[in-house]
Amino acid sequence: QQPVQSPQAVILREGEDAVINCSSSKALYSVHWYRQKHGEAPVFLMILLKGGEQKGHEKISASFNEKKQQSSLYLTASQLSYSGTYFCGTEWNGGTSYGKLTFGQGTILTVHP
Amino acid sequence: EPEVTQTPSHQVTQMGQEVILRCVPISNHLYFYWYRQILGQKVEFLVSFYNNEISEKSEIFDDQFSVERPDGSNFTLKIRSTKLEDSAMYFCASSWTGVTEAFFGQGTRLTVV
Repeated sequence: QQPVQSPQAVILREGEDAVINCSSSKALYSVHWYRQKHGEAPVFLMILLKGGEQKGHEKISASFNEKKQQSSLYLTASQLSYSGTYFCGTEWNGGTSYGKLTFGQGTILTVHP
Repeated sequence: EPEVTQTPSHQVTQMGQEVILRCVPISNHLYFYWYRQILGQKVEFLVSFYNNEISEKSEIFDDQFSVERPDGSNFTLKIRSTKLEDSAMYFCASSWTGVTEAFFGQGTRLTVV
């Protein structure tokens, strides 16, 4: 059961904002956000833990709604460098799954000048 | 900045052959992972490794696969008797704990012909 991301793709102009959502049908323990550029490795952006703790990128924010089992990634004042595929990775087993992440299908973000 | 390094960057092998993918995780990290990504698809968890043993594995990680930490620095993924469908980008990752950010290597592109 993989988390479901929406939208599947977003096209922006520089300076515009975007929100990417990640929903799970199972109770989440943590949500990890990564950005992957074509042909490169995923790069860590943000981790949100059950209970509200957040760690991550200074220009990107995220929320974690435990009741809805959903996380949202907020990209504000987008830059060309934000282009890439954004994946959420979820951990379900109360922190005992030793870091196993189940990734969503990805959201392709394209920022145009 | 410390990074996860993987070798080789690209491996071509004939169907039925064995391959070993190598990784050097970040030196003070305790958790190690292998993920794979078939071209154009999402990142899929294969296995996590902690305290010199497998802590979790996915249904993809069958008897064809094995992992090893032969010394204090390397972490390897062995694929026995490769199949065409094993062609993918294989990422190694490491983290300090099971609930902190995982850092990904640049990947090994495995092509089975």
